[in-house]
Amino acid sequence: QKEVEQDPGPLSVPEGAIVSLNCTYSNSAFQYFMWYRQYSRKGPELLMYTYSSGNKEDGRFTAQVDKSSKYISLFIRDSQPSDSATYLCAMSAGTTDSWGKLQFGAGTQVVVTP
Amino acid sequence: EAEVAQSPRYKITEKSQAVAFWCDPISGHATLYWYRQILGQGPELLVQFQDESVVDDSQLPKDRFSAERLKGVDSTLKIQPAELGDSAMYLCASSLVAGTPPYEQYFGPGTRLTVT
Repeated sequence: QKEVEQDPGPLSVPEGAIVSLNCTYSNSAFQYFMWYRQYSRKGPELLMYTYSSGNKEDGRFTAQVDKSSKYISLFIRDSQPSDSATYLCAMSAGTTDSWGKLQFGAGTQVVVTP
Repeated sequence: EAEVAQSPRYKITEKSQAVAFWCDPISGHATLYWYRQILGQGPELLVQFQDESVVDDSQLPKDRFSAERLKGVDSTLKIQPAELGDSAMYLCASSLVAGTPPYEQYFGPGTRLTVT
């Protein structure tokens, strides 16, 4: 079983809709939770990161972490065609011997149709 | 805006041949990572450098893969001999010196390798 599970999609939504993405994980040592966006034929770019449980908002993006359920979410409000990409969750224990070691989900492909 | 540079962008090679990828991180970034991303999967860390030293290469198939960062700046990842299962995107990323996690990793555009 993978440490991080993510539905690969594709997830197709109309422009303006809310996109809801999520990941589950099994390693209770994870403390740092990140969302990366990856456009086709490009490298991933960091969208947001959250430490421990709670919510974080940045413009149209909201990240939520529920450590008790080992479940994280990313919401994209007022989705635009330019949001069409693959969204990867990533996690890290953030301990001295694991700094920089990110465990990625498989990525969810999102398609926003005009 | 500073970016991570990688070359080549695409590489087609026959199995049993040698192949090498090059990465130039963002200037001043002491930490460099090589990832492998198989189609439909997330990136998997192969090796992490802090300056010229290897910090983590636990997932690097050392019988055929090697990585170096001799002067602590650019880096080369080599595969010899290449196998069909090595077909994937090879991503390089860099970040500032390890400090407060998660210190953002900046990814390059990747090298897409096809082994025939």
